[in-house]
Amino acid sequence: GDSVTQMEGPVTLSEEAFLTINCTYTATGYPSLFWYVQYPGEGLQLLLKATKADDKGSNKGFEATYRKETTSFHLEKGSVQVSDSAVYFCALSDPGGSYIPTFGRGTSLIVHP
Amino acid sequence: GAGVSQSPSNKVTEKGKDVELRCDPISGHTALYWYRQSLGQGLEFLIYFQGNSAPDKSGLPSDRFSAERTGGSVSTLTIQRTQQEDSAVYLCASSLGQGRINYGYTFGSGTRLTVV
Repeated sequence: GDSVTQMEGPVTLSEEAFLTINCTYTATGYPSLFWYVQYPGEGLQLLLKATKADDKGSNKGFEATYRKETTSFHLEKGSVQVSDSAVYFCALSDPGGSYIPTFGRGTSLIVHP
Repeated sequence: GAGVSQSPSNKVTEKGKDVELRCDPISGHTALYWYRQSLGQGLEFLIYFQGNSAPDKSGLPSDRFSAERTGGSVSTLTIQRTQQEDSAVYLCASSLGQGRINYGYTFGSGTRLTVV
């Protein structure tokens, strides 16, 4: 079945540091890939997405590239801010399998001033 | 509506009582999903609706949990005889449904359920 594996957190960084949160997936078809962000006390918000191989999703300084050869969708940001502190979820939706989206367990990011 | 609306935002209930959680999806979104998020855990899938039917109920943790959707819109998740382990944030999401997966999913802010 489909699965998403994220690096375990928490990830703790100083402000302006470079961020990478790893995400790899297993899917039967050609999935669409997503990153969601959950700020404290709130629901999940779509951060970015990519629908086919080599697509790059980007939003708010965050980027992720759909790498079919490595089945990965790593999230990166060049310079994090305190306000980026949140939980980040990698997810996929696979038309070759179930239409129910599969989420990773989430990675907590803590950014210190 | 403009977003997915969930109510109540917080619910404290006594062990053994029944609770109802409501989700009002974005107008026109035919697919609706319920998830559970326990403290420090990821998202646990509960149930999926396409229109008013639930093709996948595999995630419901026990027969104390049930859900319905009427008019292809509002959904209610009911937990009977609540237990302390039911304490969690219950999230609802909606999407344009099968064939439209590339649009992603819109989540509500969740209902925080505390069973005391």
